Amino acid sequence: EAQVTQNPRYLITVTGKKLTVTCSQNMNHEYMSWYRQDPGLGLRQIYYSMNVEVTDKGDVPEGYKVSRKEKRNFPLILESPSPNQTSLYFCASSLSYGRAWYFGPGTRLLVL
Amino acid sequence: AQSVTQPDIHITVSEGASLELRCNYSYGATPYLFWYVQSPGQGLQLLLKYFSGDTLVQGIKGFEAEFKRSQSSFNLRKPSVHWSDAAEYFCAVGLTSGTYKYIFGTGTRLKVLA
Repeated sequence: EAQVTQNPRYLITVTGKKLTVTCSQNMNHEYMSWYRQDPGLGLRQIYYSMNVEVTDKGDVPEGYKVSRKEKRNFPLILESPSPNQTSLYFCASSLSYGRAWYFGPGTRLLVL
Repeated sequence: AQSVTQPDIHITVSEGASLELRCNYSYGATPYLFWYVQSPGQGLQLLLKYFSGDTLVQGIKGFEAEFKRSQSSFNLRKPSVHWSDAAEYFCAVGLTSGTYKYIFGTGTRLKVLA
């Protein structure tokens, strides 16, 4: 089954404790991206990757890191989480730029 | 700066009534245009997309959207709403000049009255 998986689905952490949210797709998609969703703000793009080893900033990259060492995986790293990073995070992939997104189920993060 | 505006935060319609959700964008070129739907507690699903060609595009679940270049708009329509259409709808654009970013609107939450 074609899908985008994210782990964990729910996470509660404390300020400053490094965390990683994993994202994996099984569709051989080139383009992957991370979004955060906040009430009243819609989805905002954090980072995107056009292909392996090619990443670039979206609109809200501050406080986040990503890497794309393999085509299928695109982890999101919060080196020192802060409460303003409490949000719902979605990973998404598409065959190439301009094609439709396939979204993961989301990761709900609470930073205390 | 590029932006996407969905001016209606909430819309309530009766089941069987017609629906139009508005979307306007600010961008110097014609972007890729998308509408997505998010049901409660779910991820996002693509309804339809526009890249080029015919400005009226058909999507899933009986939705359609019309691209109007002169108005920088991409409004979503459905002639007869079903109770299962209650969800949040997002308009999105893919920028097409020198970048590979996407910008989403803030969403319109649709409520359907029985």
